[in-house]
Amino acid sequence: GAVVSQHPSWVICKSGTSVKIECRSLDFQATTMFWYRQFPKQSLMLMATSNEGSKATYEQGVEKDKFLINHASLTLSTLTVTSAHPEDSSFYICSQLGGITEAFFGQGTRLTVV
Amino acid sequence: SQQGEEDPQALSIQEGENATMNCSYKTSINNLQWYRQNSGRGLVHLILIRSNEREKHSGRLRVTLDTSKKSSSLLITASRAADTASYFCATDQTGANNLFFGTGTRLTVIP
Repeated sequence: GAVVSQHPSWVICKSGTSVKIECRSLDFQATTMFWYRQFPKQSLMLMATSNEGSKATYEQGVEKDKFLINHASLTLSTLTVTSAHPEDSSFYICSQLGGITEAFFGQGTRLTVV
Repeated sequence: SQQGEEDPQALSIQEGENATMNCSYKTSINNLQWYRQNSGRGLVHLILIRSNEREKHSGRLRVTLDTSKKSSSLLITASRAADTASYFCATDQTGANNLFFGTGTRLTVIP
């Protein structure tokens, strides 16, 4: 299956700073990638759909100015958490859909804002 | 919400026993998938069952789908300690291009 590499796997940042998370598709050209957020012991909640060469589509309740998504190439999508606050601490996971909708996930990024 | 519901939320069994997890959803689907997540890691695809299929097997995994009841079950036979993880169902819903995940079942297999 496709390989999706997500970096960093964990990050600790100070409140008010910005953090960029990268999601790379290593062997598959992904026109669409998905960003999820997962709180401890909970399910994945879709935040936004990242579209190569165009603006991302955000889910209701997700602040687009806070969670900046860039999908400049077919192999790289980035999520930047701007002006991070402790409540942004969470596990963020990207994914791309494979051939017949099987999804391939990155390893996830645990963000802790102190 | 388009999110699925899973039960039980948590399941603890002895090694060698079978584990059954259930998933219910609300809308029409193209297919339903099951994923496994080890603690703090990404998700790994386990098995996909299409809307016109009723049962599917893969190794020690058996998945059933009842579209009339909008439900699915995942059975793991002869469980092993290494099966300890969270398991999520995900639906590929008609008209949507992303997956909708269930609430998950945390499985603990005791050696």
